[in-house]
Amino acid sequence: EAGVTQFPSHSVIEKGQTVTLRCDPISGHDNLYWYRRVMGKEIKFLLHFVKESKQDESGMPNNRFLAERTGGTYSTLKVQPAELEDSGVYFCASSLGQGDLLDTQYFGPGTRLTVL
Amino acid sequence: AQSVTQPDIHITVSEGASLELRCNYSYGATPYLFWYVQSPGQGLQLLLKYFSGDTLVQGIKGFEAEFKRSQSSFNLRKPSVHWSDAAEYFCAVVPLYSGAGSYQLTFGKGTKLSVIP
Repeated sequence: EAGVTQFPSHSVIEKGQTVTLRCDPISGHDNLYWYRRVMGKEIKFLLHFVKESKQDESGMPNNRFLAERTGGTYSTLKVQPAELEDSGVYFCASSLGQGDLLDTQYFGPGTRLTVL
Repeated sequence: AQSVTQPDIHITVSEGASLELRCNYSYGATPYLFWYVQSPGQGLQLLLKYFSGDTLVQGIKGFEAEFKRSQSSFNLRKPSVHWSDAAEYFCAVVPLYSGAGSYQLTFGKGTKLSVIP
């Protein structure tokens, strides 16, 4: 079974540019989470999809960030325009969501975003 | 304020030695508790989790963790470390009363483990 995949693995862009990160969850997983780790800080929650709906987006830092999950499969996270403080590692995680209390979140390897 | 604290940023141990990684939490009620590991180039992998019951939890790769309510701690242990255990370890929690079915994880800052052959 394929795990959570993320693309690209590394992105270097200039301030003001746009970047789109992609996450492919494990097939059949209804829940999809985005997290971010800024250098030297904790991994922090950004948002949570259940299928194609945003369940919780309380962690999104501002309106420069837009997440979508069309069709309830893969998800994209767009940053437009990117700022220096957006640099970090963006993780995606998915879980089955079939009623098991706190079913395990499976993480992808992350996308390292560097904004110059 | 609610928080998860991993007081050790970096730990170095010799292969074969025992290991204990510390984690403390500050929440009104005991949250759900997790330990994840991230090896270089890999995603985070769940080692173990605690919801209730027996306070000594067994996980994968020979790891265990002990929940101590009186100390608000959930320390990770391994009796004999292998070189392949070198990685970064994260303690995480989900508050007991997570609303709206969103079980977002709240992480500590992580502890990097180096293993000397």
